[in-house]
Amino acid sequence: QQPVQSPQAVILREGEDAVINCSSSKALYSVHWYRQKHGEAPVFLMILLKGGEQKGHEKISASFNEKKQQSSLYLTASQLSYSGTYFCGTERLLKTGTASKLTFGTGTRLQVTL
Amino acid sequence: GAGVSQSPSNKVTEKGKDVELRCDPISGHTALYWYRQRLGQGLEFLIYFQGNSAPDKSGLPSDRFSAERTGESVSTLTIQRTQQEDSAVYLCASSINRVSEQFFGPGTRLTVL
Repeated sequence: QQPVQSPQAVILREGEDAVINCSSSKALYSVHWYRQKHGEAPVFLMILLKGGEQKGHEKISASFNEKKQQSSLYLTASQLSYSGTYFCGTERLLKTGTASKLTFGTGTRLQVTL
Repeated sequence: GAGVSQSPSNKVTEKGKDVELRCDPISGHTALYWYRQRLGQGLEFLIYFQGNSAPDKSGLPSDRFSAERTGESVSTLTIQRTQQEDSAVYLCASSINRVSEQFFGPGTRLTVL
């Protein structure tokens, strides 16, 4: 039950904004966001726990709508350094009240150009 | 203050041979994960260790794949009778506990000829 990310790819000019969505068909316990630059390992951006919170990290923020089982990552005033593949990872809320293991989406490729 | 390390960084092997990949997690991290990433693809979960609990092996693609972890330290991922489809980057990650940030190692690039 892999989360679905959209768009699959996006090209931005420096300074433009972007939104990356991550959705699940199942109730979610948490959403994790990571960025992976070409040839490097993924790097953690943020975790959002159920409760509809929003978090921020520099000019990158995210929201988690547990009713819609969806999270969105917002990149504002994009910089060249934002280029990479963004992965969301989701933990589903199990009937036992505990969380499943983390499952990653297929990624969104972001390219920021001059 | 070392991060997660993996060895070897690159491994080229012939089809049918066994390979062993090693992961040294960050000291004190109870959770350890193995992922496979094929070229241009996402992160495919393989196996998860949490403390002394039984590992979650639900992501292992076949019985040719196995992994061990000694306590809360080193983990090895073994692939027996390698196939060309096993070619990928194998990433290891550790975290303080299950719901925390995962710190990824640099990966082992496996090429099966």
